[in-house]
Amino acid sequence: AQTVTQSQPEMSVQEAETVTLSCTYDTSESNYYLFWYKQPPSRQMILVIRQEAYKQQNATENRFSVNFQKAAKSFSLKISDSQLGDTAMYFCAFITSNTGNQFYFGTGTSLTVIP
Amino acid sequence: NAGVTQTPKFRVLKTGQSMTLLCAQDMNHEYMYWYRQDPGMGLRLIHYSVGEGTTAKGEVPDGYNVSRLKKQNFLLGLESAAPSQTSVYFCASSQRTIPNRDTQYFGPGTRLTVL
Repeated sequence: AQTVTQSQPEMSVQEAETVTLSCTYDTSESNYYLFWYKQPPSRQMILVIRQEAYKQQNATENRFSVNFQKAAKSFSLKISDSQLGDTAMYFCAFITSNTGNQFYFGTGTSLTVIP
Repeated sequence: NAGVTQTPKFRVLKTGQSMTLLCAQDMNHEYMYWYRQDPGMGLRLIHYSVGEGTTAKGEVPDGYNVSRLKKQNFLLGLESAAPSQTSVYFCASSQRTIPNRDTQYFGPGTRLTVL
């Protein structure tokens, strides 16, 4: 079974500080892609960052970076220099080469950036 | 370039009524998807399409039908709405070729309430 677990339903961080959101997943596949999506109050899902499982180097996108631990099946998101606009629900997701048409999503972490 | 759009944004139905949600994308994407999002749960795939004229079931297809008559449009139908179908519905699209297929672009969502 393919599952994604986000164990932190809610988190908060002071503006300009750093926060890490955790995600673990389970799959028997060896080739897959991992994602973090952001969902602000507007409800639109926005891709934050993407990681290919075959790459050892952690992906980075400006203030967003991941800590990908393949053996532990862990994929955490670090947000540096948090901004008020980062307040949103964050979803971890993955897709495998054998389930190429279906994303598996976690239940989300609600992040609030406090001014 | 509008990306992925959804019509309508909000809808209230009575039990037993029918309706169709429209998703349109202008990125020439082959793949399109319908998800539902419920409180405390991640997005769950309802149906998807890998090309014009083709559709397939996802994780939670019961009570829904879909059609993909044109490449740019993907319709989700509820023939006899039930309160359990109260949810936020998201449409998404992606390219066909690997690895771009794994990055999905989401619409803004439709909030449906069934009384």
